[in-house]
Amino acid sequence: AQSVAQPEDQVNVAEGNPLTVKCTYSVSGNPYLFWYVQYPNRGLQFLLKYITGDNLVKGSYGFEAEFNKSQTSFHLKKPSALVSDSALYFCAVRDGLTGGGNKLTFGTGTQLKVEL
Amino acid sequence: KAGVTQTPRYLIKTRGQQVTLSCSPISGHRSVSWYQQTPGQGLQFLFEYFSETQRNKGNFPGRFSGRQFSNSRSEMNVSTLELGDSALYLCASSLDQIYNSPLHFGNGTRLTVT
Repeated sequence: AQSVAQPEDQVNVAEGNPLTVKCTYSVSGNPYLFWYVQYPNRGLQFLLKYITGDNLVKGSYGFEAEFNKSQTSFHLKKPSALVSDSALYFCAVRDGLTGGGNKLTFGTGTQLKVEL
Repeated sequence: KAGVTQTPRYLIKTRGQQVTLSCSPISGHRSVSWYQQTPGQGLQFLFEYFSETQRNKGNFPGRFSGRQFSNSRSEMNVSTLELGDSALYLCASSLDQIYNSPLHFGNGTRLTVT
């Protein structure tokens, strides 16, 4: 069975500083990995995905993520945080081994708080 | 392009009643998935439909059901509501998993069961 772990419930960062939100995963086959962001009373917005290829994936709003197969990690990063980045971030995985379907398994979420 | 539209946005029901939630996917998207979000359990997969067929199902009781119409619009139904069914129900659409396209989520329906 596939699973995702986000070890930090909350991450606090000062505006202008780099941020990292951690994610590790477990799948049977090749991992298809995603990051989503959720603002209060809204649905999830897609940030970026890793399917195959370069280990550094660039996404929306200046976010990027680093895929590390040996450590089974897919950490979300941003060089310079903004107060408007404050939100709930979810890592998700789809197991490439299972045929068909868009079932994603989500982590528990990390609340990012960017302060002035 | 219009995004994923979910109606209604808020719903209050009483235990034992049933409820139907609606989802209109992004134009051209053929896959529709449903997720339940609660503070305790997080985001949990309910089911996925593609071309009017259920392609995947999560670990929820039979009280939870869904369907997809020929225009890709989807509905989910919860019968005999329980207090624990109070949650944000999110619908997401996608082109298809072959393209590894991401899920695009609606803003959800907030269901409160009293």
